[in-house]
Amino acid sequence: DQQVKQNSPSLSVQEGRISILNCDYTNSMFDYFLWYKKYPAEGPTFLISISSIKDKNEDGRFTVFLNKSAKHLSLHIVPSQPGDSAVYFCAASEYGNKLVFGAGTILRVKS
Amino acid sequence: EPEVTQTPSHQVTQMGQEVILRCVPISNHLYFYWYRQILGQKVEFLVSFYNNEISEKSEIFDDQFSVERPDGSNFTLKIRSTKLEDSAMYFCASRRETGKNEQFFGPGTRLTVL
Repeated sequence: DQQVKQNSPSLSVQEGRISILNCDYTNSMFDYFLWYKKYPAEGPTFLISISSIKDKNEDGRFTVFLNKSAKHLSLHIVPSQPGDSAVYFCAASEYGNKLVFGAGTILRVKS
Repeated sequence: EPEVTQTPSHQVTQMGQEVILRCVPISNHLYFYWYRQILGQKVEFLVSFYNNEISEKSEIFDDQFSVERPDGSNFTLKIRSTKLEDSAMYFCASRRETGKNEQFFGPGTRLTVL
């Protein structure tokens, strides 16, 4: 099941710079997209979401962009902090149903 | 801030035994879910539950699995006869309302089947 793909297994960024995490999807019926952050041995923590009727949603240092024609979304973290180091999962859903997750991207923010 | 809780944090069992994983969703949430993550793999959906019945289940959720909301606060996942391949992290999640599908996850139960 490759409906949601995160093609970069890892990303390393300097503290204070921008982190950009990418996600692609194939199911055009997805209408809601979310980003989760996960530390080892913990559950996914909700970060930010976006509905398919929008192309941008911002919450503090986190911004999610949605490009429906390209079936692509991205999460921008500005400025990146060492505490942001974690695994980031992209997830999508159709009509409020189950979440379909990507494989995750490990973000390392170096101080 | 309200959060989803899960017990136990780690469960070790012998193959063929029954296990019950417990979850307490956020109190005003209406929709409940179980997901699992096998080591090195994606988080995958098992089952969703709303209005005291299963609303959707995956192919993984076969007759060995069942869910129950025995009272107003707990939500349980039972595996009747565990197999080695059931070893995984099991996450409970809940959400409040329709429209926004923001699901909040518990810390997980690590199930080890020997």
